[in-house]
Order: sequence, then structure tokens, then C-alpha cells
Amino acid sequence: DTEVTQTPKHLVMGMTNKKSLKCEQHMGHRAMYWYKQKAKKPPELMFVYSYEKLSINESVPSRFSPECPNSSLLNLHLHALQPEDSALYLCASSQGLAGARETQYFGPGTRLLVL
Amino acid sequence: DAKTTQPPSMDCAEGRAANLPCNHSTISGNEYVYWYRQIHSQGPQYIIHGLKNNETNEMASLIITEDRKSSTLILPHATLRDTAVYYCIVRVARLGGKLIFGQGTTLQVKP
Repeated sequence: DTEVTQTPKHLVMGMTNKKSLKCEQHMGHRAMYWYKQKAKKPPELMFVYSYEKLSINESVPSRFSPECPNSSLLNLHLHALQPEDSALYLCASSQGLAGARETQYFGPGTRLLVL
Repeated sequence: DAKTTQPPSMDCAEGRAANLPCNHSTISGNEYVYWYRQIHSQGPQYIIHGLKNNETNEMASLIITEDRKSSTLILPHATLRDTAVYYCIVRVARLGGKLIFGQGTTLQVKP
């Protein structure tokens, strides 16, 4: 089973709202990722967690706050977003970060619209 | 970082083989070539990866040239459901396995 689940599938929020995106995997993977994908563009990495510790932050604005409460769960907390943050947010996981052999498996994404 | 170059779009007739090329002339010796595809509005789907040797799985075959500067993804019998954006990615080991997506190739399978 290579399933990564994401909730919600769609989210509409105002610029003053606080919301969270959730990602879950039960493959025993120890690395988890958040990507952002704008319309007609390729996905771009935002954060990488390895063994529940943040290992890469691609200079993402602080209005995006990731959290990895355990090895199966990854959250992305959203606060005071801008309309330009509207995008498809993708979660992925891999067994680890050991070299170039760790295949990432993606979830279906959460489509976010900021009004 | 090794970058990849892919044609922006390709067409393929249903039932025929789809051959998607990728150039990665600056690839390093320990970097793998990965292929993903993304069907409209869905998450990217892993297809296959390789280092030096040709690889085959239930979805596709990956042919890597001997000098590793280019590769070809082969879908042996394309169906309409294979219409998607196909990404060729060189996985950067020293950056914790970061995947850097290029613009990809939009494959249109036609009846």
C-alpha cells in the first residue's frame, strides 16, 4: 500500500482565518514533505520532515507553519494567508532521506482558495 | 544541481508506445533519474526510477543512455488514461532527496 491521504480535499478561507491541512500515511515512512503547486506550474517543495524533525524549510513565509506530531501525521497550519497563496497543497512521504533512492509517494492534495 | 529538459508536449495514438525523452546532461554519478506523472488536478504518481541500468515495471520502461546524459520513458501501450503531465526529475542526494520538478511533458493520448 502506497497511500498518502490528505484532508480536506478542498478548502476556502478568508485572509483572517486560521485553518489546518492534514496529511497521513501508514507505510512506516519516516520522511514527509509539503509541496505547493500553483495552476499550470510544477510542484515546489516547501518543507521536509525527517524522523519528526524539520530538516528543510524552503524559505516559506511564517504564515505557513508545519507540524509533525508523530511519524504518521503531518499538518500544515495556515494563518493570515493572501489570495496568492491559493494553490494545490501536496503532501508526500518516503521511507527516509537516505541518498537518492528514497521514492516519494504523493497524496491527492488539498485545493486551497484564499478569498 | 542537475537539471532536466523535456519537450513541452507530445501526442500518441491509443494502443501505440509512447516514448518520452529527457535530457539531463549535468547529472552526477550518484543521482537517480525519477519519472512521475500528474493527471489533471491529482497528486503526482510515481512511475519508475533508475541509476545506470534500464528498468522495467508494470507501468513503464526506463532506458538510460550509457553516458547517463539522457533517458527515455516508454509506455508500451498507451491508453487514454495515460494522458497526463510527465515529469523527469534528477533526485539531488545532497539536498536530502529533494525533488526539483521541471515543466514536464504534457502527453496527449488520442483515440
